[in-house]
Amino acid sequence: DAGITQSPRHKVTETGTPVTLRCHQTENHRYMYWYRQDPGHGLRLIHYSYGVKDTDKGEVSDGYSVSRSKTEDFLLTLESATSSQTSVYFCAISMGGDTEAFFGQGTRLTVV
Amino acid sequence: QQQVKQSPQSLIVQKGGISIINCAYENTAFDYFPWYQQFPGKGPALLIAIRPDVSEKKEGRFTISFNKSAKQFSLHIMDSQPGDSATYFCAAKRSGGSNYKLTFGKGTLLTVNP
Repeated sequence: DAGITQSPRHKVTETGTPVTLRCHQTENHRYMYWYRQDPGHGLRLIHYSYGVKDTDKGEVSDGYSVSRSKTEDFLLTLESATSSQTSVYFCAISMGGDTEAFFGQGTRLTVV
Repeated sequence: QQQVKQSPQSLIVQKGGISIINCAYENTAFDYFPWYQQFPGKGPALLIAIRPDVSEKKEGRFTISFNKSAKQFSLHIMDSQPGDSATYFCAAKRSGGSNYKLTFGKGTLLTVNP
């Protein structure tokens, strides 16, 4: 497995609370991505990063923010969690171009 | 706007049969088309990928067929095995530019019966 670690792997949180998910890589890949996976929707891009402090929105970015202060870490924050953000979140990394994107093991988040 | 459409949503095949999953894309700037395989509880993993300068790519029992004029590509799994049971995602990417974002189809749940 590529050196990607997501934490936590499982989390249950209450509506309205802030939540931060962490993606840590040891591959020194430039590009990092956060996707959410929901039944019937596949994988949808939330935010991505193309370098330290360089981030941009994906197709479902509302309610989410990200930060990348170091090459190896990409944080996804739900400022005020809602039930619609219950999902499985995947981090991915790549070197860009036609290179493979490697995915982490996922974080299952439940907002109650 | 769904840029990559995948079908069928689910597929049941007998062991030894051929599994076929189809995808269609809209953005003609896409020039890299990977397929990912995902087992329950795991992250997706690259299975096979193709660029539009070839019409077919084969790796073992897995073949991608690509039709650039129709903007369609498909995954064929020959001699399907129960171990192939997984969710398969097609994807597309524009390899130029600066973001290298993958756009995924909605996935196909493949079940191979023994």
